[in-house]
Amino acid sequence: DTAVSQTPKYLVTQMGNDKSIKCEQNLGHDTMYWYKQDSKKFLKIMFSYNNKELIINETVPNRFSPKSPDKAHLNLHINSLELGDSAVYFCASSQPGLAGGKRGELFFGEGSRLTVL
Amino acid sequence: EDKVVQSPLSLVVHEGDTVTLNCSYEVTNFRSLLWYKQEKKAPTFLFMLTSSGIEKKSGRLSSILDKKELSSILNITATQTGDSAIYLCAVEVYPQTSGSRLTFGEGTQLTVNP
Repeated sequence: DTAVSQTPKYLVTQMGNDKSIKCEQNLGHDTMYWYKQDSKKFLKIMFSYNNKELIINETVPNRFSPKSPDKAHLNLHINSLELGDSAVYFCASSQPGLAGGKRGELFFGEGSRLTVL
Repeated sequence: EDKVVQSPLSLVVHEGDTVTLNCSYEVTNFRSLLWYKQEKKAPTFLFMLTSSGIEKKSGRLSSILDKKELSSILNITATQTGDSAIYLCAVEVYPQTSGSRLTFGEGTQLTVNP
């Protein structure tokens, strides 16, 4: 069973389109994240949700809108896609303070590679 | 702004060599430093370090944190081709105004040739 799963794994689309990426975790974690990894492999946090509540919102264009219907799901919707949005988007989850767990340890999904033409 | 810098950015070695990867940081509200390994897809967790001077080991990999120098190293001994990956250093910060987050460095691309 995949712990953190994202769909789709690959997405190729035209500039100006709107697209969504979905993420689900079955680890029972309270906290979920979206990270963006650019062509230089730099992983940068975009958003973090704790139990459906937005707690981190980095300086991300408001074309990006996360939604967490419940604590096991965190989706990312992107409006009016631009060339610079091309990247791999990673969803991750963690459970700070879980007995036996490691605070700060993130469990990543396999990534969704978005290509904007 | 929080900053994590890794060096070298890339490294090519032969099987059996020993490598040392470096990570330095300038952050506020430091909580811990983590190392991840990224092969083709998702980063996977290697170590978390919170205290200076205590070496963490897992097989041929080991890591140590120096909070005075704001840095960490990751050592890999007797490298194998399966060690080829991007090694990511991340620092966990916990600002008062928002939740815990990880700030990643650019990564070190390690290639181990047979």
